[in-house]
Order: sequence, then structure tokens, then C-alpha cells
Amino acid sequence: QKEVEQNSGPLSVPEGAIASLNCTYSDRGSQSFFWYRQYSGKSPELIMSIYSNGDKEDGRFTAQLNKASQYVSLLIRDSQPSDSATYLCAAWENTGFQKLVFGTGTRLLVSP
Amino acid sequence: SAVISQKPSRDICQRGTSLTIQCQVDSQVTMMFWYRQQPGQSLTLIATANQGSEATYESGFVIDKFPISRPNLTFSTLTVSNMSPEDSSIYLCSVLSPGGGELFFGEGSRLTVL
Repeated sequence: QKEVEQNSGPLSVPEGAIASLNCTYSDRGSQSFFWYRQYSGKSPELIMSIYSNGDKEDGRFTAQLNKASQYVSLLIRDSQPSDSATYLCAAWENTGFQKLVFGTGTRLLVSP
Repeated sequence: SAVISQKPSRDICQRGTSLTIQCQVDSQVTMMFWYRQQPGQSLTLIATANQGSEATYESGFVIDKFPISRPNLTFSTLTVSNMSPEDSSIYLCSVLSPGGGELFFGEGSRLTVL
């Protein structure tokens, strides 16, 4: 069973700070990684995808991938109370699009 | 990304009954998946809905309990059969982006079984 692991949190940060969310995965064959945001009572929303080692930036979000360490992270700069949600890390098993495996999610709380 | 509509958005059901959830996509998609999210838990893949053939089920999920149909490239149904309170969950339809790689979700169907 391939696994994606996250700290469940909650991770509490003050408004304006950088929130750092981390994820590790067990399948060395995984090539594609994703971060989803899920507000309470809502379905997951894709916010970042990353396929290559290094950083990928999109607005206030930066995804980081280190395949050698099997580590994915998401940085949220200038955190806002509206960023308070559960963030799910996900990875496709192996190289095909057969099963997207999700971590348990990290709950982020941004206080005003 | 595709617009994915699910019906019903929520329902309260009696033990022993069955409920069918519909998923409609506004464009043709190759791959559709059904996930379950139990209260306070992450997402678990139930099955891949294959167009024109039987669905591919994950370990722990069986066709008799979760029959799935996919008559065309824009529509699928998931039935939760003979429900028990343990089936109380959010059921999510998802589709693979045309370019491959990215998975998008419908709004989900929240089922409560009494």
C-alpha cells in the first residue's frame, strides 16, 4: 500500500506569516504531486501541482519537491484567515493515472 | 477545468435502503473516479468508473455494495446499497484533466444513514 503522510496539525500561524506544510510519500515511482485545499463541508480544490524537483510558485503559494528525499512541501506566504482550511497532499501511484493517493491532511488555522 | 455536477448534494437515508448518486461532467473525460471521505478522514478511492465496461474496485470495496455505471464519457452513477450507519460519508466524483495528471472533484454528496 503506497502512502502519503502528513502531520494532521492543527498548524496555527498569525495573519501575514508564512505557513509551511509538509508531506512525505513512500512510492519512489510517483512522479506527480498535488496540493488540495478543503474548506469544512466543501470538496477538495486543487491549488498546486508539481512534477519536477525544485520550487514552483503561483501567487502566494510555493510548492517544493525533493524526489530524492520523497518530500513535498507547500509554503503559503502572507497567510490570511481565509487560508484556514485542511490541506491535502496527493500523489499518483507509480507513473500511471490509476490511483491518486491522499494524505490525511493538515489543518491550518490563520489567526487575525 | 471541467464542471462536475453531483446529485444529490446531501441526503438522509434509512438503514437497509440504497441510494444512487449521479455525476455529470460538462465535457467528455477519459477517466472518472469515485472517492469516499468518512467524517474527519481523508479521501479513499472506491473505484475507477470505466466507460463501457465494469468498474475497477479498490481493495475493500465490492461491486455488490457499490455498483457503478458509466454509460458514456460524461456521466456516471454510484449506488450505495443496503446502507448502514457506517456508510455515512461524503461521496465524491472526480475526473482526470484532458491533459492528464490533475484530478478535479465535484461538490460531493453527503449521505447520513440513520
